[in-house]
Amino acid sequence: QVNLMESGGGVVQPGRSLRLSCVPSGFTFSSHVMHWVRQIPGKGLEWLAVIWYDGSSKDYGDSVKGRFTISRDNARNTLYLQMNSLRVEDTAVYYCARAGYCLGVKCFIFDSWGQGTLVTVSS
Amino acid sequence: EIVLTQSPGTLSLSPGERATLSCRASQSVDRNYLAWYQQNPGQAPRLLIYGASNRATGIPDRFSGSGSGTDFTLTISRLEPEDFAVYYCQHLGTFGQGTKLEIK
Repeated sequence: QVNLMESGGGVVQPGRSLRLSCVPSGFTFSSHVMHWVRQIPGKGLEWLAVIWYDGSSKDYGDSVKGRFTISRDNARNTLYLQMNSLRVEDTAVYYCARAGYCLGVKCFIFDSWGQGTLVTVSS
Repeated sequence: EIVLTQSPGTLSLSPGERATLSCRASQSVDRNYLAWYQQNPGQAPRLLIYGASNRATGIPDRFSGSGSGTDFTLTISRLEPEDFAVYYCQHLGTFGQGTKLEIK
């Protein structure tokens, strides 16, 4: 059974940093492209970042480019999101998601999601 | 940048009725990258449809997707109580704003 478990959320002051983790189980982690997606409570979904199977390629949404860094450690079976220079508007539930289907080099079909971890940015 | 606009914002129907949800793209998109997700309160999204019309594993056949170009549709043929949720369309890194399907 595929499972994704995020951790690392909490309350942080504006301008500070936080690192989220996502630990998968039930599938071969290194065989899947992975993403981070967030959701402001009561609002819609926002894609944040993608990382290739071996970490060789990454891409980011405009709102987090230059502040957030996605990474993975296939040996430790863990996906990360390093969030720097946090803003109040980064307050959201953060999901890791597995790309289950790839078409060519585009792997943006999210077939499995974690339950999310809440990040609150507040002074 | 592509914008996905979903309509209606809220759809009020009764169990057993047919639901039709719309997703319109600001420019033509490759249907292969168009997906639909369902989200219940307090839960993560769940993949329903990918490639505009392919049901994901385990999704009942009352869910169907169609469309191409700029106009896409998610249809639920006969609503079950568990279908009342929020639905999102998605193209690559862009999500629509969602349609809330509520019980009438």
